[in-house]
Amino acid sequence: DTAVSQTPKYLVTQMGNDKSIKCEQNLGHDTMYWYKQDSKKFLKIMFSYNNKELIINETVPNRFSPKSPDKAHLNLHINSLELGDSAVYFCASSQDSVARRGDTQYFGPGTRLTVL
Amino acid sequence: GDSVTQMEGPVTLSEEAFLTINCTYTATGYPSLFWYVQYPGEGLQLLLKATKADDKGSNKGFEATYRKETTSFHLEKGSVQVSDSAVYFCALTSNTNAGKSTFGDGTTLTVKP
Repeated sequence: DTAVSQTPKYLVTQMGNDKSIKCEQNLGHDTMYWYKQDSKKFLKIMFSYNNKELIINETVPNRFSPKSPDKAHLNLHINSLELGDSAVYFCASSQDSVARRGDTQYFGPGTRLTVL
Repeated sequence: GDSVTQMEGPVTLSEEAFLTINCTYTATGYPSLFWYVQYPGEGLQLLLKATKADDKGSNKGFEATYRKETTSFHLEKGSVQVSDSAVYFCALTSNTNAGKSTFGDGTTLTVKP
């Protein structure tokens, strides 16, 4: 069974379009994250949700809007896509509340977004 | 704020060579330290971790010791294999920063037969 899954795996789209990436975890974890990895492999956190509540919201354009319908799902919607949004987006989850600093994060396989 | 500095890559080694990837950190509070590995085309996965000073994390022949006095968490392996070729990320999670993880820039390791 896949612990953290993302769809789609690849997404190619035109500038200006709106797209969504879906993430689901079947680990029973309380906290979920979105990360962006650029072409140099630099990894940057974008958002974090704990039990459907937003707890980390980094400096990300407001064209990016996360939505957590329940604690097993965290979707990412991107409006008015730009060339600079091209990257690999990773979803991740961890077991407990953010106070448990030793928690391991479990990453999904990534969604490679290409904006043309 | 929190930061992680890791050895710049890429690193190229021959099979059975000794590996060290340096990692130092700056953090408030008492962070937990992690090494994650990313194989080509995959997401990151935990390699090892340590949650308090002097703890040693180990897995698959890799080791790292949490050194508070030098704020370091260097990754070592005595004999690398071709299958160890991947990108390695050092990371910390601090209890004073909403549990946010801070990742290093990643070090790409290539092991040649």
